[in-house]
Amino acid sequence: DAKTTQPNSMESNEEEPVHLPCNHSTISGTDYIHWYRQLPSQGPEYVIHGLTSNVNNRMASLAIAEDRKSSTLILHRATLRDAAVYYCILRRDSNFGNEKLTFGTGTRLTIIP
Amino acid sequence: DGGITQSPKYLFRKEGQNVTLSCEQNLNHDAMYWYRQDPGQGLRLIYYSQIVNDFQKGDIAEGYSVSREKKESFPLTVTSAQKNPTAFYLCASSIWGYSNQPQHFGDGTRLSIL
Repeated sequence: DAKTTQPNSMESNEEEPVHLPCNHSTISGTDYIHWYRQLPSQGPEYVIHGLTSNVNNRMASLAIAEDRKSSTLILHRATLRDAAVYYCILRRDSNFGNEKLTFGTGTRLTIIP
Repeated sequence: DGGITQSPKYLFRKEGQNVTLSCEQNLNHDAMYWYRQDPGQGLRLIYYSQIVNDFQKGDIAEGYSVSREKKESFPLTVTSAQKNPTAFYLCASSIWGYSNQPQHFGDGTRLSIL
């Protein structure tokens, strides 16, 4: 399975934008890039996903490099509720492999008031 | 509201005892999954099921068993053969076969050894 690499931790000031990077240099053409976040003692929560083009939703934006070997999750205006562990995951179509999410250790985001 | 319900929230196991964790979903999803999370680690897949009466081993299936008799339910049994069961267990569901669809997670069951 293709792997992702994320920084272990990041800090950001409240009400400022946050850019969370993810490297996935072995990504294949059928892999979608998914982002989840996990608050303490809760299950992961889906944030956003994309294939090739940049994506926006009410929670965040996803910027995907042209060669797809890296991506960045953008929180436009961080709040204290955004403090969580953020996971960048590659999800392969079930026709090409196991239908599962492979979680790394993610990035622990701390928001400074 | 649709979602995934895991119970109990906390569970304690005695040595040599089997325990069963419950997972129910009302999202009408075909696929269901069980993950294990150890402190400071990511999630690891235990078992998954694409359809009723069928399930597949994940990366760490030893010492665990599952059943899928109903679409809505995917219980996980932690057997006495699992020598290090203390962990946070997460159940998830999704539409099967579309890698652009998210997995939806429950709030987990924290299992400890007495």
